[in-house]
Amino acid sequence: QVQLVESGGGVVQPGRSLRLSCAASGLTFSLNSMHWVRQAPGKGLEWVTFISDDSKRKYYADSVRGRFTISRDNSKNTLYLDMNSLRPEDTAVFYCTTNSPSGSYRFDYWGQGTLVTVSS
Amino acid sequence: QSALTQSASMSGSPGQSITISCTGTSSDIGGYNYVSWYQQHPGKAPKLMIYDVGDRPSGVSIRFSGSKSGNTASLTISGLQAEDEADYYCSSYTNRGTWVFGGGTKLTVL
Repeated sequence: QVQLVESGGGVVQPGRSLRLSCAASGLTFSLNSMHWVRQAPGKGLEWVTFISDDSKRKYYADSVRGRFTISRDNSKNTLYLDMNSLRPEDTAVFYCTTNSPSGSYRFDYWGQGTLVTVSS
Repeated sequence: QSALTQSASMSGSPGQSITISCTGTSSDIGGYNYVSWYQQHPGKAPKLMIYDVGDRPSGVSIRFSGSKSGNTASLTISGLQAEDEADYYCSSYTNRGTWVFGGGTKLTVL
C-alpha cells in the first residue's frame, strides 16, 4: 500500500530555516506529481506547493512564494520542502500528498504530517 | 487566492441524507472539473472521498456522491452513519495553476 512518511518538523525561531522530507513507498514515485499541504492548529487545509513528476513544473501559494522551495529526488523516492524566513504564521502540520498520474488534479494519498512550530 | 466558501457546520440524524456545498468562482470551480472532497477525522490526515467532481476512489462508500453546478460544488452523504462525523473540505484547481481549499464543514451526526 502507498505510504508517505514526513519528517523534519520541529520548533524553529522566526527568520530561521527548516527542511522537511517525505519518503514514499508502495507507488512508482517517479510517475507521481506531489504536493505539500499544511494545516495550522485548529484551522483548515491550505495548499502550499506542487511539483511535477519530472520536476519541470513547480507552483507555489502566494503566502510562501519566494521563501519555500519544493524539490524531489526520484532516485530516493523522496520529496523535500525547504522553508526559509519562517514566520509564526507558518506554524502548521505539513502533509505531503500524491497527485495521481492520471491527468486529474487532486490529493490522492496523504502522509501523517509533521508539525512545524515557529516561535521565539 | 481566496478560500472556497463552505458552511462552518452541519448536522444530521443517522439514516438521513445531507449535502455540503462549496462555492467558488469561474476561476476555480466554475472553470474546471477538478473539484475534490476530503474527509478528516480529529487528529488524522485527510482522506480523498470524491475527485473530478463526482468520481469515487476505490474503497469509498457509494453513500458519498459529488456534483457541480456553475461555481458551486456539492458533496452528498446518504444514509448518514456515526462514522461520517468528521470535517469535510472541498478543493479545486484554479486558473493560476494553483489549488484552493474550502474553509471546511464540521459534520455532526446527532
